[in-house]
Amino acid sequence: AQSVTQLDSQVPVFEEAPVELRCNYSSSVSVYLFWYVQYPNQGLQLLLKYLSGSTLVESINGFEAEFNKSQTSFHLRKPSVHISDTAEYFCAVSETGGGNKLTFGTGTQLKVEL
Amino acid sequence: NAGVTQTPKFRILKIGQSMTLQCTQDMNHNYMYWYRQDPGMGLKLIYYSVGAGITDKGEVPNGYNVSRSTTEDFPLRLELAAPSQTSVYFCASRQLRGGGTEAFFGQGTRLTVV
Repeated sequence: AQSVTQLDSQVPVFEEAPVELRCNYSSSVSVYLFWYVQYPNQGLQLLLKYLSGSTLVESINGFEAEFNKSQTSFHLRKPSVHISDTAEYFCAVSETGGGNKLTFGTGTQLKVEL
Repeated sequence: NAGVTQTPKFRILKIGQSMTLQCTQDMNHNYMYWYRQDPGMGLKLIYYSVGAGITDKGEVPNGYNVSRSTTEDFPLRLELAAPSQTSVYFCASRQLRGGGTEAFFGQGTRLTVV
């Protein structure tokens, strides 16, 4: 069975500082990996995804994540955060080859401070 | 571009009452999911469906039922509501044919059982 671990429940950071949100997964087969963002009182929105090919994927608002198969990780990074990045971030995994379920981590609350 | 639509947005139920959370999508996605979100717990899968007429249990199905009579609709039924079902419920849909595997989420239903 697949699973996702987000070790950091909260990450405080000052504006314009870099940030890394950690995600590790467990699966016996190949996977698709996702990062979703949730702003207060809203649904989840896709931030970026890894399906295949280049292990470094980027979002339109400056986030990037790198798939590391040997470490079973998919950490999310941003070199300089903005106040508007304050939100909860969820890592998710889905097995390839017809895997039906999309499994989420427990989320990381990113709080950007002035 | 409606995407995934959930109704109602908010509801207060008394213990023992029943209700149906509605979810409809207009993207012709084959997969649909129901999750519940509790603080610090991430998203837990309640039920999912891989197509009309086919449903399966997720991690936390007890106290819930679903049906999928059409591609578009995936209602979640709560029978005999209990305080433990106080949560935010999210419906999602996903296309697993022809690429594009991310899930699209509704805005959520905030349910309180008193």
